[in-house]
Amino acid sequence: SQKIEQNSEALNIQEGKTATLTCNYTNYSPAYLQWYRQDPGRGPVFLLLIRENEKEKRKERLKVTFDTTLKQSLFHITASQPADSATYLCALSNDYKLSFGAGTTVTVRA
Amino acid sequence: NAGVTQTPKFQVLKTGQSMTLQCAQDMNHNSMYWYRQDPGMGLRLIYYSASEGTTDKGEVPNGYNVSRLNKREFSLRLESAAPSQTSVYFCASSEATATYEQYFGPGTRLTVT
Repeated sequence: SQKIEQNSEALNIQEGKTATLTCNYTNYSPAYLQWYRQDPGRGPVFLLLIRENEKEKRKERLKVTFDTTLKQSLFHITASQPADSATYLCALSNDYKLSFGAGTTVTVRA
Repeated sequence: NAGVTQTPKFQVLKTGQSMTLQCAQDMNHNSMYWYRQDPGMGLRLIYYSASEGTTDKGEVPNGYNVSRLNKREFSLRLESAAPSQTSVYFCASSEATATYEQYFGPGTRLTVT
């Protein structure tokens, strides 16, 4: 069965540094990959979508890569700020359904 | 626009009781989804409705039923609640397929004792 794995440990970084999160998958060939942000007690909020034929996508301080050979996506937050502290979820899909990873919690220290 | 709304926000049930979780969206989206989120397991799809009039099972449908009442509303029913159904439930909607981003509601925290 398909499996999606994100960094198992929480990420603690200093303000201004770059946070890099990984999303690895097996037994799956997704056409699309999405990243969401989730704050405690709230629903996830969409951040970025990248297609299988796109290698990289950027939005403001966020950058996502999608390597279908390695079966991996990297999510970067550059010039991180305390307001970036949250849990980040990757999600893969081919059709209507998204399959989510368990998420990586990021804490940015001032 | 309210986006995606869910009621109730919190609920405590006894084993064997039934209840319906309500979800509505005002974005004229075609597709709607119900997920459950448990610690360390991520979001798991219970049921989805690709368009008005259709519903399909997701990854964990056992013990649940759904109704796509109209384009705006998608309800989730627990016929006989079990402690294993203690979870946070999220409703989401999207314009069409998963090529579009999903918009999530605030969640319902359900405890079954």
